[in-house]
Amino acid sequence: GNSVTQMEGPVTLSEEAFLTINCTYTATGYPSLFWYVQYPGEGLQLLLKATKADDKGSNKGFEATYRKETTSFHLEKGSVQVSDSAVYFCALRVGANNLFFGTGTRLTVIP
Amino acid sequence: EAGVTQFPSHSVIEKGQTVTLRCDPISGHDNLYWYRRVMGKEIKFLLHFVKESKQDESGMPNNRFLAERTGGTYSTLKVQPAELEDSGVYFCASSQLGGADNSPLHFGNGTRLTVT
Repeated sequence: GNSVTQMEGPVTLSEEAFLTINCTYTATGYPSLFWYVQYPGEGLQLLLKATKADDKGSNKGFEATYRKETTSFHLEKGSVQVSDSAVYFCALRVGANNLFFGTGTRLTVIP
Repeated sequence: EAGVTQFPSHSVIEKGQTVTLRCDPISGHDNLYWYRRVMGKEIKFLLHFVKESKQDESGMPNNRFLAERTGGTYSTLKVQPAELEDSGVYFCASSQLGGADNSPLHFGNGTRLTVT
């Protein structure tokens, strides 16, 4: 079946620290992979995506590389800011079907 | 362009009562999805409309949940009677018809439902 496993939170970092949130997946077929972010009081927003193996998605300083050999799509950012505090969800989609999400990881960045 | 809007943003009801959640998708989006996140757990798929038809309702937890999308525009999700375990955040999303890469999902802010 299709499922996503992501790093348990919460994660608390100081400003300018390096961020990694791990995400691994299982999928039938060839999934597209996504990271969504939910800022406080807002809806889910697409942060970045990758549609095939070895693709790197990037946005707002965040990056994630689609690793087929390790079935992973870890989210990284070199220097986090207070404004990055949010809940991050890893997700996959096979074809035009619905999204399968992970449990979410809450990130808090302190000044 | 207006985004996906959901109403209400919060709802607190007692066990056994009925609640109806509403979702207005982005105009022109034929795909409409409902998802739910129970506290601390993953966001789970509930169902998918294409226009007014239910394409996939495999995620609906039980027959206390009823979703409609009359006319293929807005959708409602009714919970009747509500139970404690129905508490969570209900998200709606919409997308255009088309291939996966060409039809990203746009999410609303969600409705936080608390059943006491």
